[in-house]
Amino acid sequence: DAGVTQSPTHLIKTRGQQVTLRCSPKSGHDTVSWYQQALGQGPQFIFQYYEEEERQRGNFPDRFSGHQFPNYSSELNVNALLLGDSALYLCASSRDSINEKLFFGSGTQLSVL
Amino acid sequence: QQQVKQSPQSLIVQKGGIPIINCAYENTAFDYFPWYQQFPGKGPALLIAIRPDVSEKKEGRFTISFNKSAKQFSLHIMDSQPGDSATYFCAAYTLYSGGGADGLTFGKGTHLIIQP
Repeated sequence: DAGVTQSPTHLIKTRGQQVTLRCSPKSGHDTVSWYQQALGQGPQFIFQYYEEEERQRGNFPDRFSGHQFPNYSSELNVNALLLGDSALYLCASSRDSINEKLFFGSGTQLSVL
Repeated sequence: QQQVKQSPQSLIVQKGGIPIINCAYENTAFDYFPWYQQFPGKGPALLIAIRPDVSEKKEGRFTISFNKSAKQFSLHIMDSQPGDSATYFCAAYTLYSGGGADGLTFGKGTHLIIQP
């Protein structure tokens, strides 16, 4: 049983560019959440998708947007990249929208130069 | 901003010892308090979780103690092993009465080293 898979694993972009990160949830899971983890910090909640809609959102600007597809996979888009967007981006999935058992992927390491 | 304050930032314990990691929160609306373990290059993995109506929960060598009045909770690792060396995060979130939940609010993490 494949867990949460994320692609790519590493990415280098320059300031001002746009990036798209992808996530496939664990089999049987219908809810996907995205988190940003800066070096040496705990993950910070970006948003959650359930039934193809953004259900909850953390304190992130609207440069951060997402999408969930009918097969429950998800994308995170970040526009107008800033140096401060450099971080590990984690995708997490769960069987429902109450987060009781979140499974995290290994993340996408984004470096903005 | 909602916060969960975690301490210590780093901890070194001898094999067989009992590392204790503490967290404190302000938001009384939090309903659920999970702990996650993260190894380098991996995402966090759920270890154990507790609801505020329970004062203690054990799963294997991991125990959560919860003090609702003090708004504090802690993780104890019994008979610690070198393989337990990792970063540990406490977290908290709110369940909504109409269904769904808020995103997790994480502490800043504790880097734990278990020496052989």
